[in-house]
Parts: sequence; structure tokens; C-alpha cells
Amino acid sequence: NAGVTQTPKFRVLKTGQSMTLLCAQDMNHEYMYWYRQDPGMGLRLIHYSVGEGTTAKGEVPDGYNVSRLKKQNFLLGLESAAPSQTSVYFCASSPTWDAYGYTFGSGTRLTVV
Amino acid sequence: GQQLNQSPQSMFIQEGEDVSMNCTSSSIFNTWLWYKQDPGEGPVLLIALYKAGELTSNGRLTAQFGITRKDSFLNISASIPSDVGIYFCAGQRLQGGSEKLVFGKGTKLTVNP
Repeated sequence: NAGVTQTPKFRVLKTGQSMTLLCAQDMNHEYMYWYRQDPGMGLRLIHYSVGEGTTAKGEVPDGYNVSRLKKQNFLLGLESAAPSQTSVYFCASSPTWDAYGYTFGSGTRLTVV
Repeated sequence: GQQLNQSPQSMFIQEGEDVSMNCTSSSIFNTWLWYKQDPGEGPVLLIALYKAGELTSNGRLTAQFGITRKDSFLNISASIPSDVGIYFCAGQRLQGGSEKLVFGKGTKLTVNP
């Protein structure tokens, strides 16, 4: 019963490098989300998906791309990392739109130097 | 984007004291939620409120959904050291398929034994 698993847990990138963050859920949830958390800013939605093969932009989508090729996986890509993307990234999933059902992963701490 | 004003930003209290924090918004929400985040972990749901005026308790935690649907508060009674963490409010508004969560900026709670 892993819930929501994020990999990696930590990563340091150089400006301009690319990387992909992986989120995997084993609860058969339809909805998946990527948030970023910055000090004093709370959580802000980057992209989300309401089902396999679908993605949509959230509040702060610029500089990120996502894919949901399989229902259980939601990938967040940074094509050309910038220092402004230094943050803690959280993935979440839910069975329906109801926020009561959100389950969060434990986060990926990304530093871009 | 939508804004939730959460206060206070931080609190330093003695073990055994009661704690109160609140969230306000200029927008109406259908659901208010309160989360706790422990260091190095993702947010975990504490209480969900679905009805204006609703008062809900979960152990030493009590939360209320404001009558105007634009605010909510969370009280913690008789605080203990394990209450330490960041508490987030979140609101969800039904928007016909766009029911995303909006988070407050968090209240960091420190409990001195």
C-alpha cells in the first residue's frame, strides 16, 4: 500500500539541464496533480490530469510539461531548468474531483544552480 | 489567481496552550479543508468542511466553515509537541470540471515543551 510515490526525492540540476520527475500511484485514481511549494507561498498547481491521456494547465505551468500515458503515472518534465524552478514538488492523486480524496506524495526537492 | 489569506504566518506556543488560525478569501468556496505538513512530507488532510456554518471536530482539532463561505478557522486545543508543523487551509470551488484546490500560504506552528 504505497499510495503516491515520487522519484527522485532530491536532485541538483545545472541551469539548462533537463529532467523528469516521476509520480506513481497504486490506488487506481483518475485525477493526478503536480504542485510546487516555495517558502511562504503555499502550494501552487502546475499541471493536472483528469484521466489517462489527458493533461491541463494549472496556475503556474510555464517551463514545465507533463504526460499521463498510463493511469498510474504522471510525469513532470523540465526541458531547460532555471534557478526559479528551485522548489519542492509534490504530486497528488484523487479518485474524483472531491478534494477530500487527495493523497499527496512526500515530495521531490529540486535545486537548480 | 485566487488568493487565500491565511494567518498568522507563524506561531510559537507553550505545550498545553490552545491555538487558533484562520483563512479568508474574497471568493466563495464550496469546500474548505485543513492540512498538516510534517517536515520532509506531503500535506495530510486533517478536516474537510462542506457546508456553510459547519463546525467539525477531529480529536483536539476543531474547524468551522464560515457562514459567508469566504472563511474558515482551525483551533487546536491543549497543544502537544507533535503538533509542530505547517498547517494549510485550502478551498475548493465547483467550476464545472475545474474543481482545483487553492491553498493558503501556511501557518508554521512551533510548540515548546
